[in-house]
Amino acid sequence: QKEVEQNSGPLSVPEGAIASLNCTYSDRGSQSFFWYRQYSGKSPELIMFIYSNGDKEDGRFTAQLNKASQYVSLLIRDSQPSDSATYLCAVERAAGNKLTFGGGTRVLVKP
Amino acid sequence: DARVTQTPRDKVTEMGQEVTMRCQPILGHNTVFWYRQTMMQGLELLAYFRNRAPLDDSGMPKDRFSAEMPDATLATLKIQPSEPRDSAVYFCASGWGLAGFTGELFFGEGSRLTVL
Repeated sequence: QKEVEQNSGPLSVPEGAIASLNCTYSDRGSQSFFWYRQYSGKSPELIMFIYSNGDKEDGRFTAQLNKASQYVSLLIRDSQPSDSATYLCAVERAAGNKLTFGGGTRVLVKP
Repeated sequence: DARVTQTPRDKVTEMGQEVTMRCQPILGHNTVFWYRQTMMQGLELLAYFRNRAPLDDSGMPKDRFSAEMPDATLATLKIQPSEPRDSAVYFCASGWGLAGFTGELFFGEGSRLTVL
């Protein structure tokens, strides 16, 4: 079992719809959770981070964390073609531990 | 505009040659990561440093890879000898974490390595 798992996609959504991405992790002791976006041929860039159970909103993005079920999700509201990218989930177990990335979910937003 | 700088951007070499990749982290950051990305394996952690001390290099093939941070402004990743399976994009990322956590990572543009 991989430490951080994501559906590779592609997740195809029409413009204006909500894109829902999921990520599960194996280490129950994980404490920090990140979502990165990577455009084709570019480097990853941070979208959001979340540390506590519940929802965290930032503009059109909402991160949701459920530590009991060991999953973290990302919602993209009002999806735009510019949101087409690969979204990487990253998990940090504890202070001083490595940051482990999932394989990423490719999202395609169709006009 | 602070950013992580990596060199070279592209490198084509022949099997058996030595390859050195360099990274200049953002000034003031205390954590530096080296990742390798391929289509099959995604982003794999090779090594990382905190305050220049190596913390974890378990993802790195020790017989051919080495990572160092000779000073706060330079991190290096060396492959000797290189093999075709080393072909990938190598990313360096730096960050400033609170209480020992990583926090936000800023990635360089990557070094694309092709080993023939």
